[in-house]
Amino acid sequence: QQQVKQSPQSLIVQKGGIPIINCAYENTAFDYFPWYQQFPGKGPALLIAIRPDVSEKKEGRFTISFNKSAKQFSLHIMDSQPGDSATYFCAATLSGGYNKLIFGAGTRLAVHP
Amino acid sequence: NAGVMQNPRHLVRRRGQEARLRCSPMKGHSHVYWYRQLPEEGLKFMVYLQKENIIDESGMPKERFSAEFPKEGPSILRIQQVVRGDSAAYFCASSPGQAPGELFFGEGSRLTVL
Repeated sequence: QQQVKQSPQSLIVQKGGIPIINCAYENTAFDYFPWYQQFPGKGPALLIAIRPDVSEKKEGRFTISFNKSAKQFSLHIMDSQPGDSATYFCAATLSGGYNKLIFGAGTRLAVHP
Repeated sequence: NAGVMQNPRHLVRRRGQEARLRCSPMKGHSHVYWYRQLPEEGLKFMVYLQKENIIDESGMPKERFSAEFPKEGPSILRIQQVVRGDSAAYFCASSPGQAPGELFFGEGSRLTVL
């Protein structure tokens, strides 16, 4: 019940494509859902985050879609660029808690020129 | 305007030795988290500390692992009598407050146990 399941494990798109990464959770007490981007040899960096009171959030080319009833959320990257090639992690944390993030296993994205 | 600083970046230890990983949070941050990342896996929560206090260590293995965040100086993650399974990247992160929000991660310490 504490898990966050992420798919796909890896993804290859052409420049300009729209990669979509999906995550699912079981624990309805989760109420903060961030996405982190990690480049090789670096630490993760916050990309975008959402709370369950909204169904969609956009920041630049990155969009989170959130389906509370299905307990699923996804990341869309519009007009993807080779510089977006990285590993993306979804995460969740418990209501009233602190930054004890439960991470998905990660999606390795490659954007080909 | 330094970010979260971790050292060493790479550490090689033989089985049975001790590993000490250090983390200086961002300026003004008093909340520190340690996460472990095994190869090809996501990050796993280990411990959450505030100055001089361990708030949540539910992700720490019961033996050989300990963490501290003293009043002065960096946070330390200590692994005694390392085994090959301890080989991983250990990330420290900090935040300005307790409530869920942006975590600022360091670049990690990569431990290799021979």
